[in-house]
Amino acid sequence: EAGVAQSPRYKIIEKRQSVAFWCNPISGHATLYWYQQILGQGPKLLIQFQNNGVVDDSQLPKDRFSAERLKGVDSTLKIQPAKLEDSAVYLCASSLVSAGGGGELFFGEGSRLTVL
Amino acid sequence: AQSVTQLDSQVPVFEEAPVELRCNYSSSVSVYLFWYVQYPNQGLQLLLKYLSGSTLVESINGFEAEFNKSQTSFHLRKPSVHISDTAEYFCAVRARAGGTSYGKLTFGQGTILTVHP
Repeated sequence: EAGVAQSPRYKIIEKRQSVAFWCNPISGHATLYWYQQILGQGPKLLIQFQNNGVVDDSQLPKDRFSAERLKGVDSTLKIQPAKLEDSAVYLCASSLVSAGGGGELFFGEGSRLTVL
Repeated sequence: AQSVTQLDSQVPVFEEAPVELRCNYSSSVSVYLFWYVQYPNQGLQLLLKYLSGSTLVESINGFEAEFNKSQTSFHLRKPSVHISDTAEYFCAVRARAGGTSYGKLTFGQGTILTVHP
């Protein structure tokens, strides 16, 4: 079974530029998550999709970050314009929908962003 | 809202020694508890989880964690570590939710376990 695919693995940009990250979840997984992991910190949820609808985007800086999952499969996370503090690893994860909330999240390898 | 505190940012140990990685959480509702592991240059993967039932849960590679409700802790232990256990370990918590809804999975800051020969 193929895992969660993310690209690009690494990206270096200058501040005020834009960047986009792509994620393809495991086939059949209805729930997709984007997490931000800053060096020395645990992952922080940015946005959670259920199929193509947003479940939680309370911690997404909406003035500069946007995400979409138009057909309920793959997803794109965009940052425009980037700030120095956006330097982080952006993790995509997916999971099956199941009762109770105890389901496992499957993570991709992440996209490391460096903003200069 | 939930929060997770991992009390040690780095834990160095020698091979075959026991290890304990500490995790405390805060929540006003009942929670599910998880430990995820991130090996070098790999994505996070689930190590073990507590959903209900026995408070002691085990992984396939010898780790165990015990849910202690009174102390709001979920410490991870292994009686004898291997070099291959070197990784970063994250404790995570999710509020229990009915039906098919998912609460947010909240992670701690991570503990880097380094096993020396």
